[in-house]
Amino acid sequence: DVKVTQSSRYLVKRTGEKVFLECVQDMDHENMFWYRQDPGLGLRLIYFSYDVKMKEKGDIPEGYSVSREKKERFSLILESASTNQTSMYLCASSLYPPPTEAFFGQGTRLTVV
Amino acid sequence: RKEVEQDPGPFNVPEGATVAFNCTYSNSASQSFFWYRQDCRKEPKLLMSVYSSGNEDGRFTAQLNRASQYISLLIRDSKLSDSATYLCVVSNAGGTSYGKLTFGQGTILTVHP
Repeated sequence: DVKVTQSSRYLVKRTGEKVFLECVQDMDHENMFWYRQDPGLGLRLIYFSYDVKMKEKGDIPEGYSVSREKKERFSLILESASTNQTSMYLCASSLYPPPTEAFFGQGTRLTVV
Repeated sequence: RKEVEQDPGPFNVPEGATVAFNCTYSNSASQSFFWYRQDCRKEPKLLMSVYSSGNEDGRFTAQLNRASQYISLLIRDSKLSDSATYLCVVSNAGGTSYGKLTFGQGTILTVHP
């Protein structure tokens, strides 16, 4: 089975902290994605990557950065966490090229206080 | 205008009912189309891909109208277990956005006895 694993299910961080969310997939997928999900807004794409060291901004990249040094790992970085970044963060991966199914991790519920 | 827009819902239907969800997309270069299902507090999972010729999987039928940039999902003989959020998903074509997956905000379905 395809597995996408996010490092934490729940995180609580303080305003101004640097936060790392890690995602690992075991199916050699080229594409990886970071979304945030908020009530009434659905899933919004933060960043995606179609290859190692390659990244593209999504719809809401402000306040975030990403790193993909290895094919299986895609990290989301909050440089200075703010309360409006409290959300559910979902990582996904898929084969390239599309159309292919995207597989999601279980999500990280981040609370910034 | 949002790139992918869905019926806001929520839909509350009795068991056995037929229910239809609609979705429109704004990028005429979009290449691939999907319906995902998300259960409460779970990650999204692929329900079905959507093809130009239309496709059916048991009680579920998906249709694509490229001219109108419109996607639909029909659920016949609704079951209690169909209660979930249904997400319309569009994949871009071309350039560095190739493979980018954009989600609609989702439509909540509740099937009651």
